[in-house]
This record gives sequence, C-alpha cells and structure tokens, in this order.
Amino acid sequence: DIQLTQSPSFLSASVGDRVTITCRASQGITSYLAWYQQKPGKAPKLLIYAASTLQSGVPSRFSGSGSGTEFTLTISSLQPEDFATYYCQQVNSYPRTFGQGTKVEIK
Amino acid sequence: EVQLVESGGGLVQPGGSLRLSCAASEFTFSSFSMTWVRQAPGKGLEWVSVIGAGGSPPYYADSVKGRFTISRDDSKNTLYLQMSSLRVEDTAIYYCARKMNFGKYPVDYWGQGTLVTVSS
Repeated sequence: DIQLTQSPSFLSASVGDRVTITCRASQGITSYLAWYQQKPGKAPKLLIYAASTLQSGVPSRFSGSGSGTEFTLTISSLQPEDFATYYCQQVNSYPRTFGQGTKVEIK
Repeated sequence: EVQLVESGGGLVQPGGSLRLSCAASEFTFSSFSMTWVRQAPGKGLEWVSVIGAGGSPPYYADSVKGRFTISRDDSKNTLYLQMSSLRVEDTAIYYCARKMNFGKYPVDYWGQGTLVTVSS
C-alpha cells in the first residue's frame, strides 16, 4: 500500500499568512493526488485533484503542485474560513490512502 | 445539486452486523463509482471500499476485507455497506461519496455521514 505523510501535522497561522502543507508518498504516484478540507462536524470538501487542478467553486487562493512523491498545497492568503484540517489522498492505486491530516489553527 | 444521504448507523455489540445505506439523488447514479470512507472519533480519514459502475469489481481496505461487503442497487439509486464481525476499532462516522469520474479520480461529493458505534 502507498503511505502518505503530511507535514506539518499542526500549524498555527494568522489571517493573511501564506501557508504551505506538504504531502510525501512512499512511492511515485505521478500526479494522482487530491487535497480535501474538513471543518469540524462536516464532511470533507474536495479542493484540488490531479495535484494542481482546482475543483469548481474553490477560491483561487488555494493551489497545488508536485508530482512523483512530493506534493504541496498552498493557501496564498489565509482567510478566517480556511481554518480547518486538510488531507491529501492518492488516487493512483487501491487502497486509496489518505495522509494523516494537517490541522490549521488561528495564531 | 447532488445529494447523498446515509442511514443505518447505530450501536452494535462486538461481533455483530450492521448494514449501511446511502440514498443518492440528482445525478445518474448508475454511471458513477461509489465509495465508503470512515473516520474514527477525533481521527483522520480512512478509505474503506469502492464499487464501480457497470459491474466492475469492488476493492476493500485490508482492515475490512472479508468482513465488509459493498453493493449497489441502481434501480433504487442506493449504495450499501454490509458490515459483519464488527470490532471496537470499526467505530467511526461512515461517509458515502461519489467518485468524480472513471479512472484515477477522487471523490467530489460526500454525504453527511452516519455514526457506527461498536461497544459492549
């Protein structure tokens, strides 16, 4: 199975900050990676797929990059509604594993 | 707007069984692969199973293989997860989700989840 490791697991940031989350895969997955946002008590929401394609309706301050084994999710200017937990998921092979999550909290 | 509504969760004893359902609407259910993802209390997301459109074989996480069975009834627009030999560690919110396209794509719509608690 492909393991995904996110870093950091927790980050504290202020409104307006640029935030970067990294997801590393245990083996190459080309660009078959997605990012989700989850707020407390809610289902996850798809933000980015194919490593860098923004899902319809997602604000342009979110962006994704990477290929192979290393990927990043960047929020260019953190907004109050962005405080949440973010997960990466590989969709290259089954089982479709998730990273352990990165919780973004208000500094 | 795509809607997915899970039901069937509840309290069950270890070793017991439960069947979850997910009613889908506002899209052509038979054309999409469907997935179950779970989340233990306070923990991260865990992919559980997927069933394809048109009879393609299902896949399961190792943690549930041999105990859980995914199925679908396209005439009823409903996805199922039959869970047996339940363990305490199966306690989680179970989400059904639609795979956005054929091939190597993620899920794009999720239900609100149904809570399964395995406890004596």
